[in-house]
Amino acid sequence: SQKIEQNSEALNIQEGKTATLTCNYTNYSPAYLQWYRQDPGRGPVFLLLIRENEKEKRKERLKVTFDTTLKQSLFHITASQPADSATYLCALDHNNNAGNMLTFGGGTRLMVKP
Amino acid sequence: DAMVIQNPRYQVTQFGKPVTLSCSQTLNHNVMYWYQQKSSQAPKLLFHYYDKDFNNEADTPDNFQSRRPNTSFCFLDIRSPGLGDAAMYLCATSTRESEQFFGPGTRLTVL
Repeated sequence: SQKIEQNSEALNIQEGKTATLTCNYTNYSPAYLQWYRQDPGRGPVFLLLIRENEKEKRKERLKVTFDTTLKQSLFHITASQPADSATYLCALDHNNNAGNMLTFGGGTRLMVKP
Repeated sequence: DAMVIQNPRYQVTQFGKPVTLSCSQTLNHNVMYWYQQKSSQAPKLLFHYYDKDFNNEADTPDNFQSRRPNTSFCFLDIRSPGLGDAAMYLCATSTRESEQFFGPGTRLTVL
């Protein structure tokens, strides 16, 4: 069966360090993978999209890698700040003629301590 | 400059009493989605519209229906809410191949 796994345990790090979150998947062949941030009681907010033929994507302090052989994506936040504390969701596409469909992982909660 | 608006933000209903949640968008996106998210879980896709074409997920209960009268609006109808339907309901939009833009969600409580 298809699975998307993110570490359900909260990740606690010190301000200024690099946070690394993992997304593993099985039985998917996504054309692209997306990362979203979700704050408590709010809708997810898009952060980055990486395509299957891209190894790495960067945006300011964020970096995403995508290894289709390992079936894994890593999401890095460098120089982390308390304001980065949130839940981070990865999502895989299963695009079809009916639109842009995503399946989300359960998310990893990041806590950045000052 | 709100892009995806959901009303109400909080909805309380009684067991078995029909409820309608609404979503509107100013992005003119052709795809609109409804997700259900329970505490500490992944958003779960209920259904989506590609223009006027309705696509139901296989495991979405019949209790959930949707309407999209025009490009800008989409409604989620829960015909007979049960206690298990208490959740955050998220509306999202996108173009054919792009990121999804989410609304703030409607928190549904069933008494």
